[in-house]
Amino acid sequence: AQTVTQSQPEMSVQEAETVTLSCTYDTSESDYYLFWYKQPPSRQMILVIRQEAYKQQNATENRFSVNFQKAAKSFSLKISDSQLGDAAMYFCAYSQRSGTYKYIFGTGTRLKVLA
Amino acid sequence: NAGVTQTPKFRVLKTGQSMTLLCAQDMNHEYMYWYRQDPGMGLRLIHYSVGEGTTAKGEVPDGYNVSRLKKQNFLLGLESAAPSQTSVYFCASSYRGIYQPQHFGDGTRLSIL
Repeated sequence: AQTVTQSQPEMSVQEAETVTLSCTYDTSESDYYLFWYKQPPSRQMILVIRQEAYKQQNATENRFSVNFQKAAKSFSLKISDSQLGDAAMYFCAYSQRSGTYKYIFGTGTRLKVLA
Repeated sequence: NAGVTQTPKFRVLKTGQSMTLLCAQDMNHEYMYWYRQDPGMGLRLIHYSVGEGTTAKGEVPDGYNVSRLKKQNFLLGLESAAPSQTSVYFCASSYRGIYQPQHFGDGTRLSIL
């Protein structure tokens, strides 16, 4: 069965610094997608970035980028120039394109940004 | 831009009562989902729908029923609420395909006494 693991329950970063959130997953599928979602205190989940497994190039969205290591089944999120507004819970998620529906979330990492 | 709207935002029920949570989306999305979020856990899928008139079970469907009579609405029902169903419930939708990014509502905090 597919699993998503976020081993860091909480992380802190100084404003303007860089932080990396870790995510590992397990699957026997070859065609799948990985996501990072942000959940601020307002509770609404917001998509941060998406990576397609068949693409070698790491996805980037402004200050957010991923380090996708397919062989190692690792999908980390790097936040550069951290801002106070980045403080939130961050969830890693996995979805596969075929077969039984799967959209699996990790347990989340709470990111604190220190002024 | 309403996006995904959930009603109500908060509710307190007594054990054994029934209620329905409503989710509405205005993005013409085919797929809709209901999740629950509990402390220390990620979101877990309860039920989902791949189109009007269709529903399917997710990871934790027991104790819940759903209906998708209209494309824009997805209802989650609790027939006989139990304390174990105390949680925050999120509705989401995506355009097409289970691998598409999902758009979430603000959540409903439900407490069962």
